[in-house]
Amino acid sequence: DTAVSQTPKYLVTQMGNDKSIKCEQNLGHDTMYWYKQDSKKFLKIMFSYNNKELIINETVPNRFSPKSPDKAHLNLHINSLELGDSAVYFCASRSSGGRTDTQYFGPGTRLTVL
Amino acid sequence: DQQVKQNSPSLSVQEGRISILNCDYTNSMFDYFLWYKKYPAEGPTFLISISSIKDKNEDGRFTVFLNKSAKHLSLHIVPSQPGDSAVYFCAASLMYSGGGADGLTFGKGTHLIIQP
Repeated sequence: DTAVSQTPKYLVTQMGNDKSIKCEQNLGHDTMYWYKQDSKKFLKIMFSYNNKELIINETVPNRFSPKSPDKAHLNLHINSLELGDSAVYFCASRSSGGRTDTQYFGPGTRLTVL
Repeated sequence: DQQVKQNSPSLSVQEGRISILNCDYTNSMFDYFLWYKKYPAEGPTFLISISSIKDKNEDGRFTVFLNKSAKHLSLHIVPSQPGDSAVYFCAASLMYSGGGADGLTFGKGTHLIIQP
């Protein structure tokens, strides 16, 4: 009954490969996010996705692309992986509207690019 | 440019005493603030929040204080328990300013260690 789940939990791959990380939430939320936690432990927003509206953080390279097949899923595709992409990626979701901005996070996917 | 700062990377507190975690922010447009708790190999877990129209919010052992003029908030945990040992992240949002969809801006975290 996990609220926000991510697969895989660990991903080790070579430079130049293309990989995907999946995220699913069963909370009925309509806004989902991807965050990146780098080696310096900063958690930074990458994307938010709400009712098919994508808001992109300008600093995110276009090798990263979120794909949402339905409201409950927001997958992250990464093309031509680079060493600097190594990080922990967290998916989160939030119910839009209401009077709070509480986001619920998945367990994270640790990506290691060799 | 860090808009949310947690200047103490770690804090050690004796079990039963009060833990005080501090957070400063620079963007005066932030109007909603949250604290998250994170254990190793897990995602951040929401702990408590406060909107800019309040200066205090309490939930059990956890209290968050907001000083808007100083752009400062703090999380008080009393009494501290061994299970409170974790990394605590302060986060801020532009929810009421219309920027909530842009996500949360996080501090770097403070590692709280509760000693028996």
